[in-house]
Amino acid sequence: DIQMTQSPSTLSASVGDRVTITCRASQSISGRLAWYQQKPGKAPKILISQASSLESGVPPRFSGSRSGTEFTLTISSLQPDDFATYYCQQYKSYWTFGQGTKVEIK
Amino acid sequence: QVQLQQSGPGLVKPSQTVSLTCAISGDSVSSETAAWHWIRQSPSRGLEWLGRTYFRRLWFDDYAVSLKGRISINADTAKNQFSLLLNSVTPDDTGVYYCARGSEFGVLIDAWGQGTPVTVSS
Repeated sequence: DIQMTQSPSTLSASVGDRVTITCRASQSISGRLAWYQQKPGKAPKILISQASSLESGVPPRFSGSRSGTEFTLTISSLQPDDFATYYCQQYKSYWTFGQGTKVEIK
Repeated sequence: QVQLQQSGPGLVKPSQTVSLTCAISGDSVSSETAAWHWIRQSPSRGLEWLGRTYFRRLWFDDYAVSLKGRISINADTAKNQFSLLLNSVTPDDTGVYYCARGSEFGVLIDAWGQGTPVTVSS
């Protein structure tokens, strides 16, 4: 099984901050990585696929990158609507998720 | 735009069966470029993929190894929906269950149902 290790588990930030979340895969997944945003009581919403492709309708302040088996989600300027929990997910071999990063108000 | 609407009971007794349905609009359960998944979420397990069904001239399914023998996912083409059966449940199966669509030949999970909270308790 491919394990996904996501960090940090919690992140305190202010509106306008640049925020970075990291996810490391236990083995090569090529670029088969997605990022999701989840708000309380709601289903996850896809933000990015194939490590760096922004999904339709997602604001361009969100971006994704890859270096080997390490993947990064960056929010360039945090907005009030962005306080949520973020998950990475690999889809190279079945599907496994990171443990999540809660972005909270500082 | 695909929409997934879940239905089913939220309280199940230990040793019984979780039975949930996901009705699809805006896509077809028989699509040969999609797959239909079930995923659950709990504080102890996080987000956990359970299984999928998909049609490629024939029907296929895959299940999480940890659940094999207890789980079944089936499609109903007449109603354009798919269902989850998870039997012999224990309190460890408590969580929020989601149905989801996998696009790009089933691998990219890009649409989710609203979620059904399921509690296993006597």
